[in-house]
Amino acid sequence: DAMVIQNPRYQVTQFGKPVTLSCSQTLNHNVMYWYQQKSSQAPKLLFHYYDKDFNNEADTPDNFQSRRPNTSFCFLDIRSPGLGDAAMYLCATSRVQTRPSNEQFFGPGTRLTVL
Amino acid sequence: RKEVEQDPGPFNVPEGATVAFNCTYSNSASQSFFWYRQDCRKEPKLLMSVYSSGNEDGRFTAQLNRASQYISLLIRDSKLSDSATYLCAVDYNKLVFGAGTILRVKS
Repeated sequence: DAMVIQNPRYQVTQFGKPVTLSCSQTLNHNVMYWYQQKSSQAPKLLFHYYDKDFNNEADTPDNFQSRRPNTSFCFLDIRSPGLGDAAMYLCATSRVQTRPSNEQFFGPGTRLTVL
Repeated sequence: RKEVEQDPGPFNVPEGATVAFNCTYSNSASQSFFWYRQDCRKEPKLLMSVYSSGNEDGRFTAQLNRASQYISLLIRDSKLSDSATYLCAVDYNKLVFGAGTILRVKS
């Protein structure tokens, strides 16, 4: 089945210790997104890739970086996690012809704990 | 004013009831609207897309009111399995999500 896969599902890191979250998709969608969602809050878009073009949200901290080495994979790097970065990180994909706003399909998420 | 606002609830309803949620949005230029369902500690799953006046899928009906800038989700004959958080999302050249409305269906 075509899907969006995230690894790991649960990640525990120490304050300040870099962490990388991964996302892969078999949908062959050209757009991939990273969202942060805290408890009882809306998913918040951090950035997205439209093919190879990286689009950062204005309020995304520099602590968050992303890489997309190919169509199928996308990574979220948190360079120095703080306690406030503990959240669910959701990867999503969509197929669009002209602009990155369409039906999005989410992976199961990675729940990050910062000690 | 928030870009997308939802009543957080919770809405507590008995099985078989009809329940409706509203979602208001601030940008009148938005063209695409979505309802997602999110179970506790899981990812959002697309429930319905709304591109014109409305959409219906079985027990679920979504309606768009452009004049008043809101979308609604109506659930008929509620099931226990409908218990979840319902997120609306509005296209602002990116999807902007509401914080969700909690639905609890009780037997």
